Amino acid sequence: AQTVTQSQPEMSVQEAETVTLSCTYDTSENNYYLFWYKQPPSRQMILVIRQEAYKQQNATENRFSVNFQKAAKSFSLKISDSQLGDTAMYFCALDYGQNFVFGPGTRLSVLP
Amino acid sequence: DAGVIQSPRHEVTEMGQEVTLRCKPISGHNSLFWYRQTMMRGLELLIYFNNNVPIDDSGMPEDRFSAKMPNASFSTLKIQPSEPRDSAVYFCASSLAFYEQYFGPGTRLTVT
Repeated sequence: AQTVTQSQPEMSVQEAETVTLSCTYDTSENNYYLFWYKQPPSRQMILVIRQEAYKQQNATENRFSVNFQKAAKSFSLKISDSQLGDTAMYFCALDYGQNFVFGPGTRLSVLP
Repeated sequence: DAGVIQSPRHEVTEMGQEVTLRCKPISGHNSLFWYRQTMMRGLELLIYFNNNVPIDDSGMPEDRFSAKMPNASFSTLKIQPSEPRDSAVYFCASSLAFYEQYFGPGTRLTVT
């Protein structure tokens, strides 16, 4: 079975600081994609970043970057220069072609 | 493109009534997903369709729930009869295989 685990239910970070959210997954597939989604209080689900499993290079989108460790099945999200607007639930997700699996989420609070 | 469209945005109904939630996916996407989100259970996948065919409905909680996708541009999720424990935010999302899911704004359902 494919699973996604986020071991940090809640985190907080001071504005302008850097924070890393953890995600581990399990799949027997070789070809898959990993995603981080953000859900702010507005509840709209927004894609933050995407990583193809066959790519060794870590994906980066402005202040957001990932540390993808395929052998360890780890996919952490780093947010640099945190902003108040980054306050949200963050979901890690796995797409292995046949289905899409979300983790339980990490609630991030950015403190002024 | 207007993105994934869901209607209604809010629904309040009495226990025992039938509820129908609607979704229009992004044109060209071949997969459609229905999710339910609650504080207690997080984000749960209810059912997903590929090319209008239901692929996995193992997340549908019980026979009171049914979903249809009569064509590539429309899907419904029906609850009959509704119960207070069905109160949640219901999301529809669409995607191309191995690409990110695009979420609709959600329907907040309250069953009294």
